[in-house]
Amino acid sequence: QSVLTQPPSASGTPGQRVTMSCSGSSSNIGSNNVFWYQQLPGTAPKLLIYSNNQRPSGVPDRFSGSKSGTSASLAISGLRSEDEADYYCAAWDGSLSGPVFGGGTKLTVL
Amino acid sequence: EVQLVESGGGLVQPGGSLRLSCGASGFTLSAYYIDWVRQAPGKGLEWVGRSKNKADSYTTEYAASVKGRFTISRDESKNSLYLQMNSLKTEDTAVYYCATEGAVAGPDFDHWGQGTLVTVSS
Repeated sequence: QSVLTQPPSASGTPGQRVTMSCSGSSSNIGSNNVFWYQQLPGTAPKLLIYSNNQRPSGVPDRFSGSKSGTSASLAISGLRSEDEADYYCAAWDGSLSGPVFGGGTKLTVL
Repeated sequence: EVQLVESGGGLVQPGGSLRLSCGASGFTLSAYYIDWVRQAPGKGLEWVGRSKNKADSYTTEYAASVKGRFTISRDESKNSLYLQMNSLKTEDTAVYYCATEGAVAGPDFDHWGQGTLVTVSS
């Protein structure tokens, strides 16, 4: 059971916009930055979004993040087949004194 | 180019020990916080622990699930970091990744190794 809650799956067709949610509590998302990771099949995770809505260099602006209260969202616009991956949210948890992750959302591009 | 390479994974019996290595190239490991994150087969990511940088005295922190069993250490001369895992349990079976922490507070893991698989089974 992950501390952050994500829907297990999401899907969309090429060109569509999809969003996925991440729900937490006051001890994690409610009081700390949210991060998003993309994990392509058989590879290590890759940092996609940091500080709720910032993209590292090289991440396309099709990816965007937002946070409100104790929830966060990742949006992908102009969906492409290569976006098919697992997406994880993460945040520091003050009560647990460490980072916590969501269980991941598997994105399927139909 | 920043690169992290994990090694040392393998098959070990419950109750046994294993030491993983995380070697760095392209940067000086001592300047960075380094974390271990694991992923059980078909499951999500789980933080294991971290070693702060030299400036912060290489202080270590651990997840409750491994505290007292796992130990993180460094060897500056080899630009490497280690995860000593003792009293292993079947639930420790996972791919173990080392990752650098970036400048932002929180799980800002900006570089990852390729991972090494640890299987705990009799």
